[in-house]
Amino acid sequence: DAKTTQPNSMESNEEEPVHLPCNHSTISGTDYIHWYRQLPSQGPEYVIHGLTSNVNNRMASLAIAEDRKSSTLILHRATLRDAAVYYCIPAVSTGANSKLTFGKGITLSVRP
Amino acid sequence: EAQVTQNPRYLITVTGKKLTVTCSQNMNHEYMSWYRQDPGLGLRQIYYSMNVEVTDKGDVPEGYKVSRKEKRNFPLILESPSPNQTSLYFCASRHGQRAYNEQFFGPGTRLTVL
Repeated sequence: DAKTTQPNSMESNEEEPVHLPCNHSTISGTDYIHWYRQLPSQGPEYVIHGLTSNVNNRMASLAIAEDRKSSTLILHRATLRDAAVYYCIPAVSTGANSKLTFGKGITLSVRP
Repeated sequence: EAQVTQNPRYLITVTGKKLTVTCSQNMNHEYMSWYRQDPGLGLRQIYYSMNVEVTDKGDVPEGYKVSRKEKRNFPLILESPSPNQTSLYFCASRHGQRAYNEQFFGPGTRLTVL
């Protein structure tokens, strides 16, 4: 499985953009990059995923480096509700058990 | 509303007393799995199921059993719980086999084994 490296924690101010980085230098060419987040006392929640191109949805944007060795999750305007642990996960696209392997993630704190 | 439900949400039990944690999804998903989450260890997969009557071990299957008799349900069975199975458990489901499909997680079951 591809290894990921994320900072342990980040802080942001409310209503400011947040850029959450992830290094995944060993990712294979067919692995999608997923981001999930886990709010306090809840199950993980899907945020976004992509393969090569940058992706946008209602929650966030995902910027993927051209060499695919890193990606950045962008929250355009952080709210207090965005305080959570964010996981960057290379999702193996082949094999019988295409599972998600969660690392430690980034703990995002949002200041009012 | 599309969701994964788990019951019970909280459970305190004693060593050796068999228990079942239920998991149900209403999205007609083929793939379901169980994870446990422990401080410092993150989420680890216990068992998974590709479809009805198709189950297999994940990374930490010892001490657990599962069954998949219906597509919507995927119960986790602890036949003889031990204190090292005290943990937070999550059930998840997704459409199809491929990991690039969005995975939906339940709210979690906090289990304490005394």
